[in-house]
Amino acid sequence: GEDVEQSLFLSVREGDSSVINCTYTDSSSTYLYWYKQEPGAGLQLLTYIFSNMDMKQDQRLTVLLNKKDKHLSLRIADTQTGDSAIYFCAVIGSNDYKLSFGAGTTVTVRA
Amino acid sequence: DAGVIQSPRHEVTEMGQEVTLRCKPISGHNSLFWYRQTMMRGLELLIYFNNNVPIDDSGMPEDRFSAKMPNASFSTLKIQPSEPRDSAVYFCASRGLAGRPGANVLTFGAGSRLTVL
Repeated sequence: GEDVEQSLFLSVREGDSSVINCTYTDSSSTYLYWYKQEPGAGLQLLTYIFSNMDMKQDQRLTVLLNKKDKHLSLRIADTQTGDSAIYFCAVIGSNDYKLSFGAGTTVTVRA
Repeated sequence: DAGVIQSPRHEVTEMGQEVTLRCKPISGHNSLFWYRQTMMRGLELLIYFNNNVPIDDSGMPEDRFSAKMPNASFSTLKIQPSEPRDSAVYFCASRGLAGRPGANVLTFGAGSRLTVL
């Protein structure tokens, strides 16, 4: 199946930018997603990108996709304390329905 | 829209008891997924329904687990008998019809946290 890898932890100072990285193995992945999970809550979709795009920006969020290297990143500008959460990278593979998740990156925002 | 509704939010039960988790997908969505989240294994897909029909149940751990979708607005995940290793957060998610809004996005419920003692 699809392998999705993420670094497990990221600590960032309030006001700085956060960059969360993700790599995946299925070159035929069509859609790639970033979900946010706050403690005790479900997964909230932050943004997603179609595989024919290189970049997508949505307010403080910027997604970059490098299809050649199978690398996806999420940049959060002006990181706030409310951004502290676990961020999951997820991709839909060639079967078009199974969403494979990374292990999640725990982002801690310090004052 | 109220989103994906799951119940119960929390369940504590004793080993050997039957557990039933419920899910109401978003109205109009035709795909439904059950995921399990644990610290050790992360998020795992248990079963996927399309138009109320189970398409992929390869993630269901064993025969103690069963899932049904009797109609487009309701699904259950049952564990009988439950064991301590089933303790996890179980998420239901739904996705819309191809070509319709929400077609490419899984919307998750808030999850059901199960503790089996």
